[in-house]
Amino acid sequence: DAKTTQPNSMESNEEEPVHLPCNHSTISGTDYIHWYRQLPSQGPEYVIHGLTSNVNNRMASLAIAEDRKSSTLILHRATLRDAAVYYCILMRSNFGNEKLTFGTGTRLTIIP
Amino acid sequence: DARVTQTPRHKVTEMGQEVTMRCQPILGHNTVFWYRQTMMQGLELLAYFRNRAPLDDSGMPKDRFSAEMPDATLATLKIQPSEPRDSAVYFCASGFNGAYGYTFGSGTRLTVV
Repeated sequence: DAKTTQPNSMESNEEEPVHLPCNHSTISGTDYIHWYRQLPSQGPEYVIHGLTSNVNNRMASLAIAEDRKSSTLILHRATLRDAAVYYCILMRSNFGNEKLTFGTGTRLTIIP
Repeated sequence: DARVTQTPRHKVTEMGQEVTMRCQPILGHNTVFWYRQTMMQGLELLAYFRNRAPLDDSGMPKDRFSAEMPDATLATLKIQPSEPRDSAVYFCASGFNGAYGYTFGSGTRLTVV
């Protein structure tokens, strides 16, 4: 499985944008880039995913590099509730391989 | 919002006892996962079902763990016999081919003493 690399931790001020980076230099053409987050004492929560183009939803934006070897999750205005571990995961799109393999993620701390 | 329901939320059991954890996936979802989370190992995939058929259970200790989907509304994970090292939070997740992401349950916190 292709691997992702994320910083172990990041801090951001409340009400400011947050850019969470992810490197995936060995990504293959059938890999989707998924982001999940896990708030304290909760199960992981789907945030966003994309293949080649940038994606926006109500939670966040996903910016994907043109060569797809890196991506950035953007939280436009961080709140205290966004403090969580954020996981960048590559998921194969072919049948039988649509599983999520979690790494260690980035622990995001929001400073009031 | 639709939810993945896991029961029980907490379970304390003695070593050697059988433990059964249950998961009700979201109606219409065809893919179900079981994960285990510990501080040391993080989130580990134990089993993966598509249309109730097991596709991958390579992450599961075969001698004591078993996972089944008796019907589309129920997934079970059994541990027999349980050991202290099985203490962890067990998560179930469901989705439809992963196309819209997967929804996780709140987990079952298992403590084996």
